[in-house]
Amino acid sequence: AQKITQTQPGMFVQEKEAVTLDCTYDTSDQSYGLFWYKQPSSGEMIFLIYQGSYDEQNATEGRYSLNFQKARKSANLVISASQLGDSAMYFCAMRERFNQGGKLIFGQGTELSVKP
Amino acid sequence: EADIYQTPRYLVIGTGKKITLECSQTMGHDKMYWYQQDPGMELHLIHYSYGVNSTEKGDLSSESTVSRIRTEHFPLTLESARPSHTSQYLCASSDGSADGYTFGSGTRLTVV
Repeated sequence: AQKITQTQPGMFVQEKEAVTLDCTYDTSDQSYGLFWYKQPSSGEMIFLIYQGSYDEQNATEGRYSLNFQKARKSANLVISASQLGDSAMYFCAMRERFNQGGKLIFGQGTELSVKP
Repeated sequence: EADIYQTPRYLVIGTGKKITLECSQTMGHDKMYWYQQDPGMELHLIHYSYGVNSTEKGDLSSESTVSRIRTEHFPLTLESARPSHTSQYLCASSDGSADGYTFGSGTRLTVV
């Protein structure tokens, strides 16, 4: 069964420093997609970055990059130059591409706090 | 500007009441989903739909029901609300592409 694991319930980072949020996954499918979402206290889900299982390059979106290690089944999110507004919950999610429903399965989340 | 809308944003209701949480999207997406999320916890899929007249239960058992009579509308109903239903409910839709997934702003339900 597919599963997403985030082992860091909470993380602290100093403003302007980089931080890595861990995510490991388990799937028997060869084709899948990995996502990171940010959820501020207001509750909405903000899409940050996507990595397909066949993508050769690690995905990058501005200050966000995804460190994709397929053999290790890990998809860690790296946030560079942290800002106070980055304080939020962060969720890793996976979608098995050929799953009929296209469902996203989420990890437990990591609460990031950025200190001034 | 949001392309998927959820109403109400917040709802406080008494035990035993019937409630419907609304979700509408303007993108013509066939696939729609309902997730339930307790504060600070992961999202759990409770219902999904492939298209009109198609509904399926998700990975987490839920006493709620859904309907999909129109492509753009995917309401969730609780026939008799209980305090255990207190949670945030997030609606999402997908165009079927690898990363084409859009979430609504959520409904925070409190049953007293």
